[in-house]
Amino acid sequence: DVKVTQSSRYLVKRTGEKVFLECVQDMDHENMFWYRQDPGLGLRLIYFSYDVKMKEKGDIPEGYSVSREKKERFSLILESASTNQTSMYLCASSAAPPGTGELFFGEGSRLTVL
Amino acid sequence: GEDVEQSLFLSVREGDSSVINCTYTDSSSTYLYWYKQEPGAGLQLLTYIFSNMDMKQDQRLTVLLNKKDKHLSLRIADTQTGDSAIYFCAEKRTNAGKSTFGDGTTLTVKP
Repeated sequence: DVKVTQSSRYLVKRTGEKVFLECVQDMDHENMFWYRQDPGLGLRLIYFSYDVKMKEKGDIPEGYSVSREKKERFSLILESASTNQTSMYLCASSAAPPGTGELFFGEGSRLTVL
Repeated sequence: GEDVEQSLFLSVREGDSSVINCTYTDSSSTYLYWYKQEPGAGLQLLTYIFSNMDMKQDQRLTVLLNKKDKHLSLRIADTQTGDSAIYFCAEKRTNAGKSTFGDGTTLTVKP
């Protein structure tokens, strides 16, 4: 069964803390993505990566960075967490084109910043 | 730029048909998707359609695509309480890695 695994389902952090969200996929996918989901705002793309050590900014990259040292792992980093980063974070992966581009999602990490 | 819009809420009675609508702006969209998100879970692909198709049917699901109006719809026949979820419309160009999502339609199915 194909899988995208996010390391933490629920996190509570304090303002100013450094936060790591980890994501691992077992499908040998080239593409990996980080989204945040907020009520009424849908899914917003933070960063994505087409290959190891490559990254591209999405629509809302400010306040975030990413790391992709291995093909199967894509990490989202909040250098100094703020309350407006309280959200649900979703990791996804997909195979490189050609193909349907179907995204496989993890279960999500709900982050609360106090 | 790309934009995908859908209404936020839909409520139907069990056994009725549900129709969720979506409009998109990118005429270069090649793949159009419907994803389902159940409470507390990530998104899961329900179905997709290529831009050169008008319709796709898969059991209780029917997807209709009107390329001229850039309108996509998802019809769920005989809606069940287990269909209650958020449904996201998304689009992607052929060689683009990323998809653009709508804000999601929350479907509530009443017994």
